[in-house]
Amino acid sequence: EVQLLESGGGLVQPGGSLRLSCAASGFTFSSYAMSWVRQAPGKGLEWVSAISGSGGSTYYADSVKGRFTISRDNSKNTLYLQMNSLRAEDTAVYYCAKAPVREVAGMRYYGMDVWGQGTTVTVSS
Amino acid sequence: QSVLTQPPSVSGAPGQRVTISCTGSSSNIGAGYDVHWYQQLPGTAPKLLIYGNSNRPSGVPDRFSGSKSGTSASLAITGLQAEDEADYYCQSYDSSLILYVFGTGTKVTVL
Repeated sequence: EVQLLESGGGLVQPGGSLRLSCAASGFTFSSYAMSWVRQAPGKGLEWVSAISGSGGSTYYADSVKGRFTISRDNSKNTLYLQMNSLRAEDTAVYYCAKAPVREVAGMRYYGMDVWGQGTTVTVSS
Repeated sequence: QSVLTQPPSVSGAPGQRVTISCTGSSSNIGAGYDVHWYQQLPGTAPKLLIYGNSNRPSGVPDRFSGSKSGTSASLAITGLQAEDEADYYCQSYDSSLILYVFGTGTKVTVL
């Protein structure tokens, strides 16, 4: 069964850092692009970042560029999101999502076909 | 704010047909980029419902259908069921923002 399991969320003070993880199972992890998508409380979905299957290409929303870093360890079947300089507006449920293609550009045609259950990040003093 | 606009809510009685619009612009839907639709049941993660404008992943009932024309796309649900009560989001790519964008979301209520 294809599964994604996020972890690493929690309460952090403004300006702090947090690293999210997404453990993948049931598919050849390195063959697929991955994304992080977040949802603020009571709000809609916001795409945050994406990475190619090899990890060689990364993309970010302007709202997180320069503060967040997406990476992956294909030997561990794990996706990461390093979040620095956190702000109150980063408070959200963070989902990892798989694309059915290797390159991020392919998401334009196929969307994101598997999602994790999410991990909650709260930025507050 | 999102560049893809959806109605905040739509409703219908069981068995009826409802449609959800997703209005974009010349830099996203109008530029030819595909539209995908996601269903988010209360308290759960989103689920891919339609990809590439009109394609259903395996396991998605054929009561759900998608279409695209010009700068807009639509999701139709025929034979509305109580289990269809959820939030629905469209998603596409925007070439001016150079990123993936989601719609504002629509809550479907089954009366």
